[in-house]
Amino acid sequence: AQSVTQPDIHITVSEGASLELRCNYSYGATPYLFWYVQSPGQGLQLLLKYFSGDTLVQGIKGFEAEFKRSQSSFNLRKPSVHWSDAAEYFCAVADLYGGATNKLIFGTGTLLAVQP
Amino acid sequence: EAGVVQSPRYKIIEKKQPVAFWCNPISGHNTLYWYRQNLGQGPELLIRYENEEAVDDSQLPKDRFSAERLKGVDSTLKIQPAELGDSAVYLCASSPGIAGMSTDTQYFGPGTRLTVL
Repeated sequence: AQSVTQPDIHITVSEGASLELRCNYSYGATPYLFWYVQSPGQGLQLLLKYFSGDTLVQGIKGFEAEFKRSQSSFNLRKPSVHWSDAAEYFCAVADLYGGATNKLIFGTGTLLAVQP
Repeated sequence: EAGVVQSPRYKIIEKKQPVAFWCNPISGHNTLYWYRQNLGQGPELLIRYENEEAVDDSQLPKDRFSAERLKGVDSTLKIQPAELGDSAVYLCASSPGIAGMSTDTQYFGPGTRLTVL
């Protein structure tokens, strides 16, 4: 079955430091991958998505992610974190099997804290 | 452009009481989703509509949960009776296209946080 694993439940970084959030997926074919961010009391906002083509994907707010098929990974990166990036980040894969197309399967999320 | 609207934002009820959530998707979006997000978890799909038809409700606990999307626009999700384990955030999302458009982006509302006492 399709699944997404986010190994880090909680990460703390200093403002201005670089960030990498890990995501591993299990999927039988070429995956459609997403990163969403959820701020307290807010809905999920799409940061970026990968469907095909260039494996390095640029998103909003200075985020990027790299699809690595050999490692079944889709890690999210940002070169310099801002205090406003503190939020919870979810990786997701689109489930295309069983007629349930366009269903998103989410990881458990990584909570990012930013130190001043 | 207005986003996905949900109400209420917060709801506290006692167990065995009924509760309903409302969602207004982005104008023109054909597909509507209800997800449940338990504390410390990612969202899980409950039901997906294409226009007014529920095309995937395999994860909806049908003994107590029901949903409808009249006229293919607004949707309501109901729980009757609520149980303690139903405490969660209920998220509504919408996307422009129809099933098979797996590249569609889902746009999420702010959610309704339900607490069952």
